[in-house]
Amino acid sequence: NAGVTQTPKFRVLKTGQSMTLLCAQDMNHEYMYWYRQDPGMGLRLIHYSVGEGTTAKGEVPDGYNVSRLKKQNFLLGLESAAPSQTSVYFCASSSTRVQFFGPGTRLTVL
Amino acid sequence: DAKTTQPNSMESNEEEPVHLPCNHSTISGTDYIHWYRQLPSQGPEYVIHGLTSNVNNRMASLAIAEDRKSSTLILHRATLRDAAVYYCILSGMDRGSTLGRLYFGRGTQLTVWP
Repeated sequence: NAGVTQTPKFRVLKTGQSMTLLCAQDMNHEYMYWYRQDPGMGLRLIHYSVGEGTTAKGEVPDGYNVSRLKKQNFLLGLESAAPSQTSVYFCASSSTRVQFFGPGTRLTVL
Repeated sequence: DAKTTQPNSMESNEEEPVHLPCNHSTISGTDYIHWYRQLPSQGPEYVIHGLTSNVNNRMASLAIAEDRKSSTLILHRATLRDAAVYYCILSGMDRGSTLGRLYFGRGTQLTVWP
């Protein structure tokens, strides 16, 4: 099993550009999450999903949108990137209290 | 959600036990205590969790105070690979959509010396 995978691993955007980050899990988990981590900080929850077709806002949802069209995939979109969105993005999935994290996507917005 | 307090950093020598403390004085009766760790340039990794009783697994032990206002993660023999940021997190019982939500603080940076 690959566990949780994230695409891409790195990306550089210009202010105002859009992009989508893809998270995929092969563990048949119901719950999926998107977090961001800024330097020297812990992770903060952006959005999460409790099942296919459902999403909900986390702590820092502004500037992001998500979709969960398939159970195994959770997409994070940035419609108009801003330098404040420069961060490392982690996806996670769970079926119980234990969350499994992906390797992260390092995003830089110039 | 209840918050936790951890030391910013701790140090240990290789093959010695490490006790990582966590205070959570406002914990509610239904909050679980979780520990995750994050190695450099990686995503967080689950270590252990518990509710009231002490817990052991292949990675570590979790000792929970009787009043549940503090806990200690115990690494029995530290290795260089255990150098990481360790997060102590409280997670509530199933409240519908809040199941599994984790609130990360800054954690404790553990340095292991050879």
